[in-house]
This record gives sequence, structure tokens and C-alpha cells, in this order.
Amino acid sequence: EPEVTQTPSHQVTQMGQEVILRCVPISNHLYFYWYRQILGQKVEFLVSFYNNEISEKSEIFDDQFSVERPDGSNFTLKIRSTKLEDSAMYFCASGAGRGLDQPQHFGDGTRLSIL
Amino acid sequence: GESVGLHLPTLSVQEGDNSIINCAYSNSASDYFIWYKQESGKGPQFIIDIRSNMDKRQGQRVTVLLNKTVKHLSLQIAATQPGDSAVYFCAENIGGNNRLAFGKGNQVVVIP
Repeated sequence: EPEVTQTPSHQVTQMGQEVILRCVPISNHLYFYWYRQILGQKVEFLVSFYNNEISEKSEIFDDQFSVERPDGSNFTLKIRSTKLEDSAMYFCASGAGRGLDQPQHFGDGTRLSIL
Repeated sequence: GESVGLHLPTLSVQEGDNSIINCAYSNSASDYFIWYKQESGKGPQFIIDIRSNMDKRQGQRVTVLLNKTVKHLSLQIAATQPGDSAVYFCAENIGGNNRLAFGKGNQVVVIP
């Protein structure tokens, strides 16, 4: 069964450094998402992406965050200058469509630890 | 603000028994709901979904029930197995861009 893959599984970064989280969505999917989950809390929406542009972003997704689909297979999340509170699990998801009956499928996440 | 939430933090169930996980939602405009399972160290795994124009939907060993009158969603797992031990999230679809709002999660522990 096709799946979303994310790399690295764990990223440790010094505060203030830039970090890029990588995702390979399911190959025929057109809609891409990033979510995060702070330890012990619920999964929170960050951003949705379609047709090479952001469709929607949450209040968490400020100017320090950016997303890119640099080629036909990768989807990246960049945090320009990391803060301690950026420490979380970051999940990438993809979906075949935008309508009903088009569930998002998630990767296993990247654990980001900011020191 | 409006949100999705779960009633019980932990459910312990004997192997072979049925499990019921509940979820309350408050956004009456939500038209699509999804149950996800999250095992330790893994991402949310799709289990089953339901549109708001349906009351019930069945999958393999799982059934989702939707009561729009009281804004309540439940997931029933038949003949619970050790592999069902996980955290279960309900999520509602908000808006046309498929933004998902997740509840806090409900831990299911299966006792062999």
C-alpha cells in the first residue's frame, strides 16, 4: 500500500538555526499538508498546499515557516530561525482530492528537537 | 472557539470484547469526520470516515456512528485485539481546503 514517507525521523537543531523537513507524498496525490503535535497535545494544522501554492495556513504558520514542492515528488517544510517552542512532531499528509471521502494519509513524522 | 473533543482519556478493554470510543464536536457546519489511530512512534493512520449526511458507516471490525442532533461521534471496534492498542483521534473537516481539526485523543489499552 502506498504511503507518505518523511525524513529525517529525528532532527536535533540549535535554536536560531534553519531546519528543513522533507516529505514524499503518495505519488498520485495532489493535496499536501503539514501538521504538528507538541508532546502530549493534539495534532494541529499548519498549512495546506495545492497547485504549487498555499491553500490555507493556520495562525501557527508565521513568517518563519515556508513550504515548497521543489520537484515532482518532494514536499518540504522550512523553519527559518527555530525557537524552543518549535520542538514537536511534524507530520506530513497528502490526499487525492479535496472533497468528501478523500481522507488525508499521514507519514510517521519527524521529531524536531530544538536545543 | 469551536473544537472537537473526546470524553474519556483512557479505555481499558479485555481482548475479544467490543470497544466504544466517543467524541463530541461543536462545529455544526462540519460535513466530514474521520477517525485516526496512532500507535507509538507512528503517524495517524486512517481508520474510517463518515459524511454528515450519514448516520452510520461500517468497515472491517469498525463502525462509526454520527448523531448530528447532539453532535456526537463514536467509533466501535468489534472483538478488540492487542493490535488495537493505540490512541484514537476523531477529526472534523473544516472548510473547503480540508483543514482537519483533531480532538485530544483517547488511549485504548487492550488487556490480553
